[in-house]
Amino acid sequence: AQTVTQSQPEMSVQEAETVTLSCTYDTSESDYYLFWYKQPPSRQMILVIRQEAYKQQNATENRFSVNFQKAAKSFSLKISDSQLGDAAMYFCAYRSGLLSGNTPLVFGKGTRLSVIA
Amino acid sequence: DTEVTQTPKHLVMGMTNKKSLKCEQHMGHRAMYWYKQKAKKPPELMFVYSYEKLSINESVPSRFSPECPNSSLLNLHLHALQPEDSALYLCASSQDLGSWGELFFGEGSRLTVL
Repeated sequence: AQTVTQSQPEMSVQEAETVTLSCTYDTSESDYYLFWYKQPPSRQMILVIRQEAYKQQNATENRFSVNFQKAAKSFSLKISDSQLGDAAMYFCAYRSGLLSGNTPLVFGKGTRLSVIA
Repeated sequence: DTEVTQTPKHLVMGMTNKKSLKCEQHMGHRAMYWYKQKAKKPPELMFVYSYEKLSINESVPSRFSPECPNSSLLNLHLHALQPEDSALYLCASSQDLGSWGELFFGEGSRLTVL
């Protein structure tokens, strides 16, 4: 079974600074997808960024980028120029690429990010 | 329209009550999900519907009964719940079960069982 580990329960960053959230995963599959979801205090979970395992190039979305190290099974999220609105719980998630994947999404335990003004 | 709408936002019920949570999406997605989320924890998968058929049931107690009347609607019927069932219940949808598409989540229904 796949597992996702986020080793940082809480992180804080000064506004306008850069922060990196860590995520490691364990899988025997070669085809899979990785996601970072953000859940602000308003509760609705939204997708921040996603990465296909077969792509070597790291995904970027504006101020958000990932460092995908497939051999090391690492998928960290870097937030540049942090803003107050970035304060949220961040979940790393894994999804099998198999059409018959039994578990649609496997979540890590989350990292609560605080942004200090 | 990229929304998943859940009602009610808050629900308080006694252990003998029968209530339902509702979820609706109009994105043409064919996979819909129920997750349970306790405070400061990740969502836990409960049920998955694919093309209106129950695809995954993660050993959820029978006091939770899912229903998918059509491709846009997903219900979760609640009966004889326990106080430990109090949680945020999240509905989500995706293009389908096998694709790599993202899950779209609703805001959730906050359930309190007295």
